[in-house]
Amino acid sequence: QVQLVQSGAEVKKPGSSVKVSCKASGGSFNTYDINWVRQAPGHGPEWIGRIMPMFGTASYAQKFQGRVTITADKSTTTVYMDLSRLRSEDTAVYYCARGLFLTVASSETYYFDFWGQGTLVTVSS
Amino acid sequence: DIQMTQSPSSLSASVGDRVTISCRASQGITTYVTWYHQKPGQAPKVLIYAASSLQSGVPSRFSGSGSGTDFTLTISNLQPEDFATYYCQQTYTTPYTFGQGTKLEIK
Repeated sequence: QVQLVQSGAEVKKPGSSVKVSCKASGGSFNTYDINWVRQAPGHGPEWIGRIMPMFGTASYAQKFQGRVTITADKSTTTVYMDLSRLRSEDTAVYYCARGLFLTVASSETYYFDFWGQGTLVTVSS
Repeated sequence: DIQMTQSPSSLSASVGDRVTISCRASQGITTYVTWYHQKPGQAPKVLIYAASSLQSGVPSRFSGSGSGTDFTLTISNLQPEDFATYYCQQTYTTPYTFGQGTKLEIK
């Protein structure tokens, strides 16, 4: 059974950075992606980016390009999401989620099957 | 970016009812759709993936259908634990986008 365990809540000042971790256990770390998603209070989820730990390659939503860095440490099976130049609008719960490629009825698919418990990041002066 | 438009945004129903939630994609996404429900303070939980495949452990009263741009989540015989917010998501191409949510409330 795959488990994703995230680091604890953070309170940050505007303009600073936050680094949230996501430790994976179960499954093979090199066979799936890890995605980051955030959810602001009262809003729907929003995709931030993902990384393929096997290759260390990350891709990001245009909205966050230049402000976010996602990295993976294969030795500890931990993925990190670093968001810089924080502003109040970044206040949200941040989730990591495993992205899995599957073949269903001869068609390929991809979906987020396991999620971390979420990390609340509060940006406030 | 692909827009996912869900309807309705809220819905009132009773235990035992059958309800349907729709999701329309702004362009064709084959069957790369996942349905979740979410309760306050919890992470989204997968119900349906690949538009119509039931996630392991999810009750069979949940079903999904659709392909291309139009998708539907149906919940038969609503149970008390089903009252939550429901989201669709496309994973056809990045950025992976979510619908705005449907809040299912007890009538």
